[in-house]
Amino acid sequence: EDQVTQSPEALRLQEGESSSLNCSYTVSGLRGLFWYRQDPGKGPEFLFTLYSAGEEKEKERLKATLTKKESFLHITAPKPEDSATYLCAVHLSNDYKLSFGAGTTVTVRA
Amino acid sequence: DAGITQSPRHKVTETGTPVTLRCHQTENHRYMYWYRQDPGHGLRLIHYSYGVKDTDKGEVSDGYSVSRSKTEDFLLTLESATSSQTSVYFCAISELTYEQYFGPGTRLTVT
Repeated sequence: EDQVTQSPEALRLQEGESSSLNCSYTVSGLRGLFWYRQDPGKGPEFLFTLYSAGEEKEKERLKATLTKKESFLHITAPKPEDSATYLCAVHLSNDYKLSFGAGTTVTVRA
Repeated sequence: DAGITQSPRHKVTETGTPVTLRCHQTENHRYMYWYRQDPGHGLRLIHYSYGVKDTDKGEVSDGYSVSRSKTEDFLLTLESATSSQTSVYFCAISELTYEQYFGPGTRLTVT
């Protein structure tokens, strides 16, 4: 069965303390992996799409990478405004749907 | 931001009553989706649409129906609401690249 697992469930960081979030998947025929940010009470906000192993995307303090079995979201020198829940999702082959992980909630303290 | 609105944004209803949630987009995207989000379960797909009058079931479709009579509108109906359908409901849209853009959500409470 296709599955997307995110770890850790929660991450508490001090401002400036870099860290990484993991998204591992056991799907066949991956066509794309997506990262989203979700603030409390709001809908998920699209961040990145990764299509092939070795690909990297960056946006401000965030950098996403992809291997054949997992993706990492690196947060470099985070600020309190980076506090949010980060979701990953995979696009399965021959389908329009995305399968989402449960998310990692990041809290950055000043 | 993608032009997606959801209405109502909050609703409290009683068990057994019908409820319709509306998603409206101004992006002319072909695909539209309804998700529910619950603690411990993440986002789960209820129904999706791949064109006007073309819809299909997601992983948690029991107790829900949908309709799409126009490109811009996708309706989610709970025929007889139950307490287990208390949740936050999100609509999303996508085009050929499949990256989905989400609406602001509707918080539904069934008492």
